[in-house]
Amino acid sequence: QQPVQSPQAVILREGEDAVINCSSSKALYSVHWYRQKHGEAPVFLMILLKGGEQKGHEKISASFNEKKQQSSLYLTASQLSYSGTYFCGTGNQGGKLIFGQGTELSVKP
Amino acid sequence: NAGVTQTPKFRILKIGQSMTLQCAQDMNHNYMYWYRQDPGMGLKLIYYSVGAGITDKGEVPNGYNVSRSTTEDFPLRLELAAPSQTSVYFCASSRTSGGPSTDTQYFGPGTRLTVL
Repeated sequence: QQPVQSPQAVILREGEDAVINCSSSKALYSVHWYRQKHGEAPVFLMILLKGGEQKGHEKISASFNEKKQQSSLYLTASQLSYSGTYFCGTGNQGGKLIFGQGTELSVKP
Repeated sequence: NAGVTQTPKFRILKIGQSMTLQCAQDMNHNYMYWYRQDPGMGLKLIYYSVGAGITDKGEVPNGYNVSRSTTEDFPLRLELAAPSQTSVYFCASSRTSGGPSTDTQYFGPGTRLTVL
């Protein structure tokens, strides 16, 4: 079952914050977050494993609530370089990764 | 390290033609994957492999075949190309001892395929 991401698209001004959500109808073991620039390959941001651990990567962090089967990606003080499409991928232990449909983020000057 | 490499970068096929998309990685990863990405959509898993000689179907395997004779290479074969196979194809690899969902996947640059 494909995870559902929200919002589908968001436009920000430089310096603003954003939250991207990813929810699944199935129990999760892991959540991956990737960013893809137009015409390029997806690039890994972070992975969260079962345990509710919050991770950070520069000004981008994420949380994972396995009870609610949800993850959120937090982008603070956004920069122009944050523009792109963000994908979450969800998986069961030992299982395959299923990607969401993506959230398109545009950061304007 | 070159990481994950894919050839060709672009290809146009006629309906009914066949081709092989090449993928190679030099990170000694056990797991390799093939995804397709349709315009404005997410990634759909076609096939994956947990090691040389072992492959398994993903979400959308119909119309494709794979083989894995070495750790490094994981070619994807399209038989009897159809317009519905027009897409961008990404190969990825991961180290993963705990299963595909537990480790970082490293993606190749992609192959843009058009079937006319």
